[in-house]
Amino acid sequence: EAGVTQFPSHSVIEKGQTVTLRCDPISGHDNLYWYRRVMGKEIKFLLHFVKESKQDESGMPNNRFLAERTGGTYSTLKVQPAELEDSGVYFCASSHASGNTIYFGEGSWLTVV
Amino acid sequence: AQRVTQPEKLLSVFKGAPVELKCNYSYSGSPELFWYVQYSRQRLQLLLRHISRESIKGFTADLNKGETSFHLKKPFAQEEDSAMYYCALTPGGYQKVTFGTGTKLQVIP
Repeated sequence: EAGVTQFPSHSVIEKGQTVTLRCDPISGHDNLYWYRRVMGKEIKFLLHFVKESKQDESGMPNNRFLAERTGGTYSTLKVQPAELEDSGVYFCASSHASGNTIYFGEGSWLTVV
Repeated sequence: AQRVTQPEKLLSVFKGAPVELKCNYSYSGSPELFWYVQYSRQRLQLLLRHISRESIKGFTADLNKGETSFHLKKPFAQEEDSAMYYCALTPGGYQKVTFGTGTKLQVIP
């Protein structure tokens, strides 16, 4: 089965610009998560979708970050406007509704200059 | 609040030597503990979980509730074990994962 896919794999943007990251979970997975790792720090939870609903968005750093999952399939994470401290790797992950195993994507590397 | 601590950023061992990657956690309830691994140019993947009490690729980890630790061990390191290892915790029944900062294991030939 296809794994979690993320696009783009790498992105370099200027401070103040907008970037949209996309995640396609494994087909049939209701749970979708976004995490990120900024340089030198741990991987941190951003938010959790169950189908199209936001179950937990307590990890979203501020209102410059907007996540959507219209239709309960793929998800997008938009950063607008981007700041230097947003640079890092953004991971998407998915799991079955009752599953205990989370499958990660390869990550989207974001560099804000 | 839940927290996972991995005190070592880098651990270098010779091939064939024993390996122990340390992990301590803090959580008021009964968490589920995991080890994730990321090999070079590959995605983050689950290595093992405490509830399975399994050995994967020769690695084992025992949950010590008294010491709130979940150290990862392997008796004889192999070169292919070189990777980033992340200890992680979930509250159980809910998938919000709290990760440690990771330990880079370097196995020297």
